[in-house]
Amino acid sequence: DAKTTQPNSMESNEEEPVHLPCNHSTISGTDYIHWYRQLPSQGPEYVIHGLTSNVNNRMASLAIAEDRKSSTLILHRATLRDAAVYYCILGRMDSNYQLIWGAGTKLIIKP
Amino acid sequence: DAMVIQNPRYQVTQFGKPVTLSCSQTLNHNVMYWYQQKSSQAPKLLFHYYDKDFNNEADTPDNFQSRRPNTSFCFLDIRSPGLGDAAMYLCATSGEPYNEQFFGPGTRLTVL
Repeated sequence: DAKTTQPNSMESNEEEPVHLPCNHSTISGTDYIHWYRQLPSQGPEYVIHGLTSNVNNRMASLAIAEDRKSSTLILHRATLRDAAVYYCILGRMDSNYQLIWGAGTKLIIKP
Repeated sequence: DAMVIQNPRYQVTQFGKPVTLSCSQTLNHNVMYWYQQKSSQAPKLLFHYYDKDFNNEADTPDNFQSRRPNTSFCFLDIRSPGLGDAAMYLCATSGEPYNEQFFGPGTRLTVL
């Protein structure tokens, strides 16, 4: 079964870069890698996704290993508002497109 | 602003008393999802609609049903809530199944 593995929690200092790792050793060739985050008392929100190449958007960067068995979400300059649970998710095209959620990493930002 | 709206934000029901949670969207998205999220866990997909086509996850209990009367609205019916059904229920939408999902704020269900 495809799944993702993430650290339970991480701490970082405000205004420093944050690297959130994710292992997905059973990923298949057509699975996308998604990241969502969930701020306290809110629904999850999309952060970024990719297939093979590294991706950048206004929120973050996604670095995907060459063998695709791991990836890293990079927040370039963390703020207190980035404190959230970050979920690494595989997107699989079966009969329907299925999101396979990891357990999430709770990111704590220290002022 | 286009958004996903869930009502109510907090719902209290009694053991065994049917309850309905509602979700509406102004995004005109084809797909609407219902997730259950328990404390400190990732969201778990219960089912989704692609337009009018209903797709149930294999391990979703029969106690959970859903209705989508039109593009904008989707309802989650819990026929006989048990104590184990207390959770946050999240509604989400996407244009297509492989697109970004937009989540509502959730309804926190308490079962007494």
